[in-house]
Order: sequence, then C-alpha cells, then structure tokens
Amino acid sequence: DARVTQTPRHKVTEMGQEVTMRCQPILGHNTVFWYRQTMMQGLELLAYFRNRAPLDDSGMPKDRFSAEMPDATLATLKIQPSEPRDSAVYFCASGLVPGTTDMGYTFGSGTRLTVV
Amino acid sequence: AQSVTQPDIHITVSEGASLELRCNYSYGATPYLFWYVQSPGQGLQLLLKYFSGDTLVQGIKGFEAEFKRSQSSFNLRKPSVHWSDAAEYFCAVGASTGGFKTIFGAGTRLFVKA
Repeated sequence: DARVTQTPRHKVTEMGQEVTMRCQPILGHNTVFWYRQTMMQGLELLAYFRNRAPLDDSGMPKDRFSAEMPDATLATLKIQPSEPRDSAVYFCASGLVPGTTDMGYTFGSGTRLTVV
Repeated sequence: AQSVTQPDIHITVSEGASLELRCNYSYGATPYLFWYVQSPGQGLQLLLKYFSGDTLVQGIKGFEAEFKRSQSSFNLRKPSVHWSDAAEYFCAVGASTGGFKTIFGAGTRLFVKA
C-alpha cells in the first residue's frame, strides 16, 4: 500500500531552536494537509496545499511557523523559534481532489515534537 | 466555513454489543464526510467516506455510517463491537467547493469491556 512518510518520528528540542518536519506525500496526490494534535485542542488544521500552492495557512501562528512544498514529493513544516507550547504530534495527510470516488486522505504516522 | 461536533467524549460498550457514534456538522452545501479511527500512538486510518449518492455508506472493519441531511448528521455504526475496536474515532467534514478544506471533530474515545 502507498504510504505518507513523515520524518522524524520523534523530535526533542530546546526552546528557541528551529525545528523542521518533513512529509513525503503519496505519488500522484495533489493535496497535502498539515494537522497538529494535542490533548487540549484535538486535531487542528494548520495549512494545506493543492498542486504545491498554499491554499490556507490561517491555522498557523505566522510569526514562527512556515509551511512549504519545494517539490511534489516533499512538504515541510518549520517552527522557528520553537516554544514549549508547540509540543504536539504533527500529522501530514495527502489526497487526490476533487470529486474522485477514491477521495479520502491518507495520514502519515506523525512527528511527535517535544520542546523543553 | 464548516464545523463538526462529536457530542460524546467517550463511550463504553460491551463486546458484542452494537455501537453508534454521533457526528453533527454545519456547512452550507452538501459536504464531504469522513470517519477516521486512531489507535494509541498511531496515525489516522480512513474507515469510510460520503460524497454523494446512497446515504448509507459501508466502510472497512464492519462499520457503516448514514448521512442524514435533515439532521446534519453522519453517525457511525457497528452491529457488534470487538475488543480490537477500542480506539479514538474522528468525524471530519470537507468543503465540497473551493479548496476542499477538511476539519475534524474533537473525537470520541471508545472503550470496550469484556
């Protein structure tokens, strides 16, 4: 089965450091989402892309977060500088939209970020 | 903008009993609707989805869901729960136009007792 690959799986970093999380979407998928999961907030949509173009990043703290898709095989989420409140599991998901009967998003295994 | 509500934070059912997890959404047009399941420490797995057509949707692992437009609901059901179904279940609603933005409910944690 095709998979969405996220790296690293775990990251522990000190407050103030830059963090980069990577996602390899499924080949042929044109849409990539970034979600953050915490106990308090659940699954929050941070940003998403269609054909590598950002469609909506209103869920991201703009001053410290940035999301890009330098090419069709790589999506990145950066935090600079990181803060303890950024500790969460970050999920990437990809899918093919619109309107196909197979539409549904495939999630990666997530990056568990701990900022100390 | 769409929204989705899962009224039950957690539910406990006995193994072999039937299950219904509730999901209500708000959206101005016919939405795309999804149910995902997440086991501890894992990513989310798609159980089923609704786009159009038959309002009763069959999914994997014996789950089904029914879209009721009049009630703005998309409840998940299973006739007989197995211990391995214990997990967290998320309902999601996607916009059917524009960017197909998809947001998730807060989730319902299912506990299965022997």
